[in-house]
Amino acid sequence: SAVISQKPSRDICQRGTSLTIQCQVDSQVTMMFWYRQQPGQSLTLIATANQGSEATYESGFVIDKFPISRPNLTFSTLTVSNMSPEDSSIYLCSVEDGVGTGGSGEQFFGPGTRLTVL
Amino acid sequence: GQQLNQSPQSMFIQEGEDVSMNCTSSSIFNTWLWYKQDPGEGPVLLIALYKAGELTSNGRLTAQFGITRKDSFLNISASIPSDVGIYFCAVAAGNKLTFGGGTRVLVKP
Repeated sequence: SAVISQKPSRDICQRGTSLTIQCQVDSQVTMMFWYRQQPGQSLTLIATANQGSEATYESGFVIDKFPISRPNLTFSTLTVSNMSPEDSSIYLCSVEDGVGTGGSGEQFFGPGTRLTVL
Repeated sequence: GQQLNQSPQSMFIQEGEDVSMNCTSSSIFNTWLWYKQDPGEGPVLLIALYKAGELTSNGRLTAQFGITRKDSFLNISASIPSDVGIYFCAVAAGNKLTFGGGTRVLVKP
């Protein structure tokens, strides 16, 4: 499976600021996703990062708050904008292996970025 | 939105015990997945299930895809201390995953 890295691994930020999280994959993949995991909770899909077009956001998540870039098939960024303490979470990127359509549903996750907003 | 009910929420294991957890849905899904998350890490895929009634093993782990396609269970046999962690079930609809609430596995004091 693809090897996924995220930067930063953790950060502590002040409210009102923004943080950009990077996700790098060691092979080309069509499908990349961003998830949020609030403290002690399960994972919730934020959006699908589409290469060459705007991300597809899930209900409850908007582009102004979580802008996403996907400049190529191995890299994506998620920005958490105008942060508040409620944004304190682990943010994870995931991928489906390979390039093309008709994915298996199997997703592989990066190590996550632990964000604390004061 | 779709909810997966995962139980138990937490459990204590003693080394050598067999343990079991399950996941149910009100809707039918054709792909069920089981992940494990260790502290400070992302979830790691353990087992993927694609066929109703399918029983799949990965070492000491065994998972079954329910015949109704609305449930799945995961068994861990002869548990060891490194089995501690959070186990999540997930279902795939298209390219989107929905996760259960997780089962936290702890070591009996």
